[in-house]
Amino acid sequence: GIQVEQSPPDLILQEGANSTLRCNFSDSVNNLQWFHQNPWGQLINLFYIPSGTKQNGRLSATTVATERYSLLYISSSQTTDSGVYFCAVEYAGGGNKLTFGTGTQLKVEL
Amino acid sequence: EPEVTQTPSHQVTQMGQEVILRCVPISNHLYFYWYRQILGQKVEFLVSFYNNEISEKSEIFDDQFSVERPDGSNFTLKIRSTKLEDSAMYFCASSERGGVQPQHFGDGTRLSIL
Repeated sequence: GIQVEQSPPDLILQEGANSTLRCNFSDSVNNLQWFHQNPWGQLINLFYIPSGTKQNGRLSATTVATERYSLLYISSSQTTDSGVYFCAVEYAGGGNKLTFGTGTQLKVEL
Repeated sequence: EPEVTQTPSHQVTQMGQEVILRCVPISNHLYFYWYRQILGQKVEFLVSFYNNEISEKSEIFDDQFSVERPDGSNFTLKIRSTKLEDSAMYFCASSERGGVQPQHFGDGTRLSIL
């Protein structure tokens, strides 16, 4: 099956700092989604981005499908950004299921 | 915005008992999924469901698990004879179509087996 790797595994930021999270995948994908898992365990859908660039407020994401990676940018981080960020992919030939990466644990401190 | 809703939010059950986790997918969605996340680990696919039958299942989804769409709105996951290792967060998701469509996730049911 497809391998999905995220980096860094852990990240600590001061409030106001910017960061880039990376997701590498080993095969062609039909779908890529970024999620934020908050401290209560809820999975918040951030982006559906199989290719190209999207922006939503302080967050933006870019997927370069031909090079098999996606980036999530967080600007002017806030304490409420803390949690785990997952990318998940649906790979071509893999049915409709999402395969999740291992996540990036982000902590934003005052 | 339409949501996927899951009940209960937290379920505590004795080992060996049966549990049913309930989900109401988004109304015009046709594909339904269950995922599981053991504490501290990544989210894992369990099963997908389309047109009233299982379209794909993972190795985790063994004979103790079953899914059902008992009516036009609910989608359930049943775990027979629960084990301690079934303790996890269970997420339901739905999508409008299969493939190249985003999956929308519910808030999850935290299942604790004692």
